[in-house]
Amino acid sequence: AQSVTQLGSHVSVSEGALVLLRCNYSSSVPPYLFWYVQYPNQGLQLLLKYTSAATLVKGINGFEAEFKKSETSFHLTKPSAHMSDAAEYFCAVSEGGANNLFFGTGTRLTVIP
Amino acid sequence: DAGITQSPRHKVTETGTPVTLRCHQTENHRYMYWYRQDPGHGLRLIHYSYGVKDTDKGEVSDGYSVSRSKTEDFLLTLESATSSQTSVYFCAIRRTSGGTNTGELFFGEGSRLTVL
Repeated sequence: AQSVTQLGSHVSVSEGALVLLRCNYSSSVPPYLFWYVQYPNQGLQLLLKYTSAATLVKGINGFEAEFKKSETSFHLTKPSAHMSDAAEYFCAVSEGGANNLFFGTGTRLTVIP
Repeated sequence: DAGITQSPRHKVTETGTPVTLRCHQTENHRYMYWYRQDPGHGLRLIHYSYGVKDTDKGEVSDGYSVSRSKTEDFLLTLESATSSQTSVYFCAIRRTSGGTNTGELFFGEGSRLTVL
């Protein structure tokens, strides 16, 4: 069975500080992993994805994530937060070739000026 | 822009009334999905479709039905709406790249439903 745990429903960082959003997954087969971002009153937008190629994945807006099989983690990072990064972030897992994605409960990122 | 249009975008209805939400895509994708988003639960799959007249249940399908009579349209129906179905509903499509399932979904803008 697939599942995703996002540690911390709310994260606050100062502008210019490191962003770290945590995601741990469980999957019985090698997973595909995704991070999505949702701005207020909008749909979800794909930030980046891991599909068994390079373990360090770079996405849009300066975000990146590292797949660590030994830790079953796929944490999202950005070296320097910008005000425009304030949004809700969702981690999702799919067992390769499966029909749908399972989502975490989301982490709301606040950026303090 | 994934070419997905959801309608209506906002709807307020009363308990016990039927409601249909429509998802329309312009890119001829085979797979379409309906999710609901609730605080503290993230997104949960209601139903999905893998072709015309081919649908399957997700993890929270009770109280919902779907239909897909054309590739471009995927309808979600609440036969008798309840207050617990107050939520934001998202439609999604799955793209393939050169015939390969790369796994990611692309979402519409959402339909906010309030059941009084």
